[in-house]
Amino acid sequence: SYELIQPPSVSVSPGQTASITCSGDKLGDTYACWYQQKPGQSPVLVIYQDSKRPSGIPERFSGSNSGNTATLTISGTQALDEADYYCQAWDSSTANYVFGTGTKVTVL
Amino acid sequence: EVQLVESGGGLVQPGRSLRLFCAASGFTFDDYAMHWVRQAPGKGLEWVSGISWNSGSIGYADSVKGRFTISRDNAKNSLHLQMNSLRAEDTAVYYCTKGTIFGVAEGFDPWGQGTLVTVSS
Repeated sequence: SYELIQPPSVSVSPGQTASITCSGDKLGDTYACWYQQKPGQSPVLVIYQDSKRPSGIPERFSGSNSGNTATLTISGTQALDEADYYCQAWDSSTANYVFGTGTKVTVL
Repeated sequence: EVQLVESGGGLVQPGRSLRLFCAASGFTFDDYAMHWVRQAPGKGLEWVSGISWNSGSIGYADSVKGRFTISRDNAKNSLHLQMNSLRAEDTAVYYCTKGTIFGVAEGFDPWGQGTLVTVSS
């Protein structure tokens, strides 16, 4: 089955840039999107179609997708960005949506 | 405002059945695919099932195929998940979420608050 692999954790200082990777076979050939989930809350879409931001998502969130890796970048990270982040893609071979393993972002 | 409200969760014994509901409002329901996503306690997100706007395309995760059935009632703006032969590993918060076109990862947005399903004797 198709897998999307993310680092378990990423630490970043306030104001710095956090980069979260999502690795999957030929991921760049399909769209990737990203979700933010804070403790006790439902996930929120922060990036869709690789690099687009939904209405209301701050400009400090950006995304890219090429080759086997999609990347979510948080510029000028703030304490309120501390959360779990998940990537997602569509696997046409199994006709399934797949979520990444998840990354916990800690703002130190 | 787009709203998705799940209901139907609860405690159920292994092997029994449960039916989840999702009431949608604030958007043209029959224009969009809909999905169920679950999250086991302390674990990540798992796509469970999805259905296209007209029920013409339906998909299931391998972990639930043959046991769960997704359906929708566009006249009542509602999404359902019939869960049969439940197992302990089905214990999770189940989220209802709005997609776009079934078969494209253009993002699930928004998500409901979730309903907890606990499978235990």
